[in-house]
Amino acid sequence: NAGVTQTPKFQVLKTGQSMTLQCAQDMNHEYMSWYRQDPGMGLRLIHYSVGAGITDQGEVPNGYNVSRSTTEDFPLRLLSAAPSQTSVYFCASSYSADYGYTFGSGTRLTVV
Amino acid sequence: GQQVMQIPQYQHVQEGEDFTTYCNSSTTLSNIQWYKQRPGGHPVFLIQLVKSGEVKKQKRLTFQFGEAKKNSSLHITATQTTDVGTYFCAGAETSGSRLTFGEGTQLTVNP
Repeated sequence: NAGVTQTPKFQVLKTGQSMTLQCAQDMNHEYMSWYRQDPGMGLRLIHYSVGAGITDQGEVPNGYNVSRSTTEDFPLRLLSAAPSQTSVYFCASSYSADYGYTFGSGTRLTVV
Repeated sequence: GQQVMQIPQYQHVQEGEDFTTYCNSSTTLSNIQWYKQRPGGHPVFLIQLVKSGEVKKQKRLTFQFGEAKKNSSLHITATQTTDVGTYFCAGAETSGSRLTFGEGTQLTVNP
């Protein structure tokens, strides 16, 4: 099992560009989520999904979109990148919100 | 909204010393989880506590959930250099609700 796979590992964007961060899991987990991690601020929830076709906003959703067309994939779209979106992004999955999460290795994004 | 706070933010210890990090929630929690993140790595799930007053051990790590289910602690006995990293707690208000992470405690261990 590969677990949770995130691509790319590193990305540099110019302000205003758009891009999609990919996340895939092969554990048949229903629950998937996206977090951003900034120094001294822990992990903040961007969006999450409790199953295919169902998504909801976390605490910092502005500037990001998600979709969940399959159980395996949960891509995160940056609509128009801003320097404030410079961060490390982690995707996580779990059997449900009540179980421990498996995290991907992260995407380090820099917006210039 | 729910807030989860961790103290201390940083802790430096000599190898062999004990270490404790504390987690406090503004609301009663359904469960609390603990994660470890090595420098440059991703968070790794350590344990989940569900019951009031619960205590769980993993080798040198002891996890406690408070009686009121609003606080938790992680204690490491006789730290080793392999314990270096940031330890996060994460709590859920109700079963099935999303987790709120604390800001983490960054542990450094001097050999």
